[in-house]
Formats: sequence, structure tokens, C-alpha cells
Amino acid sequence: GAVVSQHPSRVICKSGTSVKIECRSLDFQATTMFWYRQFPKKSLMLMATSNEGSKATYEQGVEKDKFLINHASLTLSTLTVTSAHPEDSSFYICSATLGGGDVETQYFGPGTRLLVL
Amino acid sequence: GQNIDQPTEMTATEGAIVQINCTYQTSGFNGLFWYQQHAGEAPTFLSYNVLDGLEEKGRFSSFLSRSKGYSYLLLKELQMKDSASYLCAVVDSNYQLIWGAGTKLIIKP
Repeated sequence: GAVVSQHPSRVICKSGTSVKIECRSLDFQATTMFWYRQFPKKSLMLMATSNEGSKATYEQGVEKDKFLINHASLTLSTLTVTSAHPEDSSFYICSATLGGGDVETQYFGPGTRLLVL
Repeated sequence: GQNIDQPTEMTATEGAIVQINCTYQTSGFNGLFWYQQHAGEAPTFLSYNVLDGLEEKGRFSSFLSRSKGYSYLLLKELQMKDSASYLCAVVDSNYQLIWGAGTKLIIKP
């Protein structure tokens, strides 16, 4: 149980284009989903917290207009990297929690590797 | 500020035991997670400790001392597939997850 999927797993795009990444909880309803970014050999960096039906809460330093997050349902959240640039190349990972408690185990998707040329 | 310290890299031999330490200084404490992350993959949950003591789960055990701001992950009977990064993460007083940079564990035959 508690399986999270991400699509696509890998994407290469040209600079200036937008890329959408989907995160789905397959066998549970996720009240909260998280979006992370990870650089090689670095820790996970939380970008934003997303609750179904409400606006995402972005971490300091993360541009809301550049990284658009939509949590349309209890099983789907999307991250759109708008006007991507080479510095946006990274490993993007989503996670989801079952909800209901103050401390929840996060279940991670397999990640999306983005390369912007 | 909030800080999680883990060794950057450790090497161990197949079949042996290894202990990965994590020390933390955070604003409040509501538990500590250990995650395993294989190269190029997302983290997978290993353990959660909120009370002092040792919790054993198969070949993996996790220990917590809240007074010392210290935890360790103990891996026994090491297998080659245990080669991965091990991430320590602390839940602070705001129930935010603070991540360590991870410890890369290299297993040699």
C-alpha cells in the first residue's frame, strides 16, 4: 500500500518551454502532497506543500510563478516548470501523506529527472 | 538555525554491521525518520522514532536519544543491495521535516 507514481520519469526539453510533472497516489487518498528538488549528492529541498483544493504553500526562495502547483484531486498533484532554463535541470520528487495526524510518513514517488538544454 | 549532521560517506564489508549516526539541532522535536535512497531513485521509508530507545525491524534498527539530539541507524548482515544513501530527517516544532544531506554507504564484497 501507499504507492505514489510520477510521470514522466525523465524529460529533456529546450530552454523556454514548460514541463508538467504529475504525481499520483495510486492506492490511497493523499490529503497532502509535497514537491522536492534534489541536486546531486545534496539533501532533498522542499519546494512546496500542496493540499487538495487549496493553494500550495511555497518555501522561501521558490518562485510561485515559475513552479506552478495544482492539486486538483486527492490523488493528483501537478508541478509545471514554466519557461524552463538549464538551471532548472534537477531531480524532482513528490511525496504524499495519508493524512490525519500531526506527523505523517511521507511516501515518495520515483522522481522525475529534468534536463533543460 | 536548524541543523542535521550525518557523515557524508561510509564504507563497510558485505556481511558486517555498520552504524550510521545522525545528530540534530532543531527548534523542537516531533520525531525522526530514516529513509533509504538508491542512486537515481526516490527515498523509501525505513523507520520513525519519537521515543528514546532502540527499535528493531529485521536487519535494520534505529536508535534515538532525545536528550543528546542523536540517532543512529544500525544495519546488520550487510548485503550489496544495501549500498545506498541513508537520509535522516527530523520533524520540528512546526511539524516541518528537516532533512539531512544523507550518508552514502558503500558495501564492498
